[in-house]
Amino acid sequence: AQSVSQHNHHVILSEAASLELGCNYSYGGTVNLFWYVQYPGQHLQLLLKYFSGDPLVKGIKGFEAEFIKSKFSFNLRKPSVQWSDTAEYFCAVNARPGGGNKLTFGTGTQLKVEL
Amino acid sequence: DTGVSQNPRHKITKRGQNVTFRCDPISEHNRLYWYRQTLGQGPEFLTYFQNEAQLEKSRLLSDRFSAERPKGSFSTLEIQRTEQGDSAMYLCASSLQGENQPQHFGDGTRLSIL
Repeated sequence: AQSVSQHNHHVILSEAASLELGCNYSYGGTVNLFWYVQYPGQHLQLLLKYFSGDPLVKGIKGFEAEFIKSKFSFNLRKPSVQWSDTAEYFCAVNARPGGGNKLTFGTGTQLKVEL
Repeated sequence: DTGVSQNPRHKITKRGQNVTFRCDPISEHNRLYWYRQTLGQGPEFLTYFQNEAQLEKSRLLSDRFSAERPKGSFSTLEIQRTEQGDSAMYLCASSLQGENQPQHFGDGTRLSIL
């Protein structure tokens, strides 16, 4: 079975600082990788996804993530955060083939961006 | 709004009571998923449907839990004889069929057991 580790549980940054959130997964086969974001009081929203091809994927709101297969990692980055990026960020994987699209999530990283 | 809709948003009940939650997926999505999220944790998979067929259930889903999707559209999740440990946010998601289809989540139903 697959598992996901997010090492940073709480991150506090000032506006314009750069962001990198770690995500490592454990699974011996092929996976799809996702980052979801949950803004205060809102539902989980897809930030970006990796299925195949270019390991550097770009998502909404200036976020990007890089899949490094040898490190089983899919870290999320943003060069300059804004106050509105304050949210909880979840990394998730699903195994393929045959995973049924069920997602395995990490425990999440709470990001607070200060003015 | 054409997103995933869940009702009720909040449910408070006494231990031992039965509760039922409803999820209306995005209309063209034939896959529907239920997850549970407790404080400080990410969502955990419970079960999923493809059309009306329940294809997988997590071992987290004890025999007190039952989910249905009778016509392949909305789904219900029932918890019988609720326990304190059932307190959580119950999330529903839907997607199109296919391994590369992302899931779209609803706002969830927060269950509190007194």
